[in-house]
Amino acid sequence: ELKVEQNPLFLSMQEGKNYTIYCNYSTTSDRLYWYRQDPGKSLESLFVLLSNGAVKQEGRLMASLDTKARLSTLHITAAVHDLSATYFCAANRDDKIIFGKGTRLHILP
Amino acid sequence: DTAVSQTPKYLVTQMGNDKSIKCEQNLGHDTMYWYKQDSKKFLKIMFSYNNKELIINETVPNRFSPKSPDKAHLNLHINSLELGDSAVYFCASSQLGHGEQYFGPGTRLTVT
Repeated sequence: ELKVEQNPLFLSMQEGKNYTIYCNYSTTSDRLYWYRQDPGKSLESLFVLLSNGAVKQEGRLMASLDTKARLSTLHITAAVHDLSATYFCAANRDDKIIFGKGTRLHILP
Repeated sequence: DTAVSQTPKYLVTQMGNDKSIKCEQNLGHDTMYWYKQDSKKFLKIMFSYNNKELIINETVPNRFSPKSPDKAHLNLHINSLELGDSAVYFCASSQLGHGEQYFGPGTRLTVT
């Protein structure tokens, strides 16, 4: 059974700092996703990672995938307040997508 | 144009009632999903339909019944609503095999 674990679940950080959110999954997965959810809003797709060593960047966010370690990371560079949100990773196997519990990120000005 | 739309956005109802939530996507995707997000923000898949056929049916009470009249629509009907059904329900769609899902705005269901 595919399980997805994220850590930390809560993260409060200062603007300008760097930090990483970790996503571990328990069995082989076809691909790995990162989503962002603002309070009271829907989920927005950030990245889709397809293969070992994949790295994608968008602004201050960079996602990577290590399929051997079954680990994906979402790295935040020089955080700004606008990045405050909940970030979910998700993995899929056999057409079923399993989400992590989400990391609630709060960036202090 | 909204890619994935849901109606209603808010739904407040009493225990024991029956209600429906509608979902439509105009992305041409062949797969649609229903998710439940509880008060702790945990997101759990409930159902998945591919080309109008049920392909994933997680352990949800049989009071929940999805209906897909065509590829672009997936409705969720809930019978005999209970307090524990209160949550935000998200519809999503994707192209099977490509996986990236597009989510609707959500329906906040409150059962009193």
